[in-house]
Amino acid sequence: DAGVTQSPTHLIKTRGQQVTLRCSPKSGHDTVSWYQQALGQGPQFIFQYYEEEERQRGNFPDRFSGHQFPNYSSELNVNALLLGDSALYLCASSRGQGGGELFFGEGSRLTVL
Amino acid sequence: DAKTTQPPSMDCAEGRAANLPCNHSTISGNEYVYWYRQIHSQGPQYIIHGLKNNETNEMASLIITEDRKSSTLILPHATLRDTAVYYCIVRVAGKAAGNKLTFGGGTRVLVKP
Repeated sequence: DAGVTQSPTHLIKTRGQQVTLRCSPKSGHDTVSWYQQALGQGPQFIFQYYEEEERQRGNFPDRFSGHQFPNYSSELNVNALLLGDSALYLCASSRGQGGGELFFGEGSRLTVL
Repeated sequence: DAKTTQPPSMDCAEGRAANLPCNHSTISGNEYVYWYRQIHSQGPQYIIHGLKNNETNEMASLIITEDRKSSTLILPHATLRDTAVYYCIVRVAGKAAGNKLTFGGGTRVLVKP
């Protein structure tokens, strides 16, 4: 049973560029959340998708957007990259909304130069 | 979500029990206590959660005080693979809460041979 898979694992971008990160949830899960983890800090909630709609959002600017597909997979898009966007981006999935037991992927490490 | 306070770091001897404290003095009656851990370069991993009764699973035990203002995560026989950052998180359950987890600084646990 595959867990949460994310791609790419590492990528390097320059300021002003755009990036798309991808996530496939654990089998049987229909809800996907995205988190940003800066070096040395705990993960910060970006947003959550359920039934292809953004259901909850953390304190992140509109440059951060997402999408969920009918197969429950998800994408995180970040536009106009800033140096401060350098971080580990984590995807988490669950069955339904509201539960606190999330399954996390290994993350995508983004470096912005 | 109620705020949690954890010691920034602690050491533990391999094979001994590791007792990780967490203070959540402002916890509300409908808030659960969740524990996650994050091993270096991996995504967070769910460990256990509870409301007011003590809980045990194959990974750990969770002891919540009667007034629910603090809790202790117990790893009964720590191994080197338990070296990680452990996060104590307090949150309500239910659809309205979504999948948002508020991570604090956590406790960096080092298991020594």
